[in-house]
Amino acid sequence: DQQVKQNSPSLSVQEGRISILNCDYTNSMFDYFLWYKKYPAEGPTFLISISSIKDKNEDGRFTVFLNKSAKHLSLHIVPSQPGDSAVYFCAASARAGNNRKLIWGLGTSLAVNP
Amino acid sequence: GAVVSQHPSWVICKSGTSVKIECRSLDFQATTMFWYRQFPKQSLMLMATSNEGSKATYEQGVEKDKFLINHASLTLSTLTVTSAHPEDSSFYICSAASWDRLREKLFFGSGTQLSVL
Repeated sequence: DQQVKQNSPSLSVQEGRISILNCDYTNSMFDYFLWYKKYPAEGPTFLISISSIKDKNEDGRFTVFLNKSAKHLSLHIVPSQPGDSAVYFCAASARAGNNRKLIWGLGTSLAVNP
Repeated sequence: GAVVSQHPSWVICKSGTSVKIECRSLDFQATTMFWYRQFPKQSLMLMATSNEGSKATYEQGVEKDKFLINHASLTLSTLTVTSAHPEDSSFYICSAASWDRLREKLFFGSGTQLSVL
């Protein structure tokens, strides 16, 4: 059972336009969400996170929106640049006793075309 | 700016050597740090939970003698992969937690990609 789903395996966007990457989750106990970016042959790098008490977090060109009622979050990249072409992973975290689960989506490959 | 610094971000080592990964909270005191590992095309797996000044709690199946975790201060936790082998090649992430008015705040490191040759 996949608790974090990225239903679009790939996305293609024109340079300068907005890229919207979506992520859905099923566990209402998740209280932190994050996005990672991964270039080919490199490890993922942390991009942005959001707490469940917020509905928006912005960092430069990157904004993450959280809709708790819909159990949905999205990452907006404006304006998109060719260097943003990478695989983007959504992850969600929840406390489980003394531990913290961190569940990772399968990723969306973004291609920004010049 | 980043509030959790994880270092190094990328490391390649020979089989049999040990690798140390640092996770440092920059402007807050982390009461708890979590270490995760991800294998290709799989979800992140919690390896261990460490509280400052006490021994880490390891998840089932994680060898504590192989993955040494030290949380000697409220701002630094280290994960040492001892006698690394190619099957230890993975992506490792730390996260640091602190409490603020009964709410847990969580911050994530940038991750470390370990490749063991």
